[in-house]
Amino acid sequence: DTGVSQNPRHKITKRGQNVTFRCDPISEHNRLYWYRQTLGQGPEFLTYFQNEAQLEKSRLLSDRFSAERPKGSFSTLEIQRTEQGDSAMYLCASSLPGEREEQYFGPGTRLTVT
Amino acid sequence: LAKTTQPISMDSYEGQEVNITCSHNNIATNDYITWYQQFPSQGPRFIIQGYKTKVTNEVASLFIPADRKSSTLSLPRVSLSDTAVYYCLVGENYGQNFVFGPGTRLSVLP
Repeated sequence: DTGVSQNPRHKITKRGQNVTFRCDPISEHNRLYWYRQTLGQGPEFLTYFQNEAQLEKSRLLSDRFSAERPKGSFSTLEIQRTEQGDSAMYLCASSLPGEREEQYFGPGTRLTVT
Repeated sequence: LAKTTQPISMDSYEGQEVNITCSHNNIATNDYITWYQQFPSQGPRFIIQGYKTKVTNEVASLFIPADRKSSTLSLPRVSLSDTAVYYCLVGENYGQNFVFGPGTRLSVLP
């Protein structure tokens, strides 16, 4: 297994456009997470799935953001009507539930909104 | 209210041992302490996790005193490639309570 993959790696879009990112987790991992990271800050939790169920969503998450994991495998994160403040690195991670639960992160998708 | 407090930055030289201390005064009985490492333009990577006393793996050691209100990540004989941001987290290892602070930016100098 090659780990968590994310596509695209970079995305430049104009304000007001919609964008969609994809995350492919490690195949046997049933938990999947999305984070957002801006320069100089740690990753900020957005949402997480266990299998296809979205179990938690950040209270700070705008309704322009939506995530899906339709078959409990890959996930997509869509941002509608992008704003310049959405410019950030979007990270995906996956894990197996357990006492010592380790999240495996992908390389991220860097979004630039112009 | 921040769950953890750690230094914003640290400098070290190659070959030295580096200790990064994290304060977590409000740690709960069931909370684990976990450290992640992040290189520029990459996602974080798990380093080590512990509950009490000392944990050691091939990369680092984690020292946790009896009161568990702090923990120290120890990196033996650092090299230039250890230059990264190190995050200390406490709590359940998933969900919105799994909070990354700004971390400690370690710079290893030649």
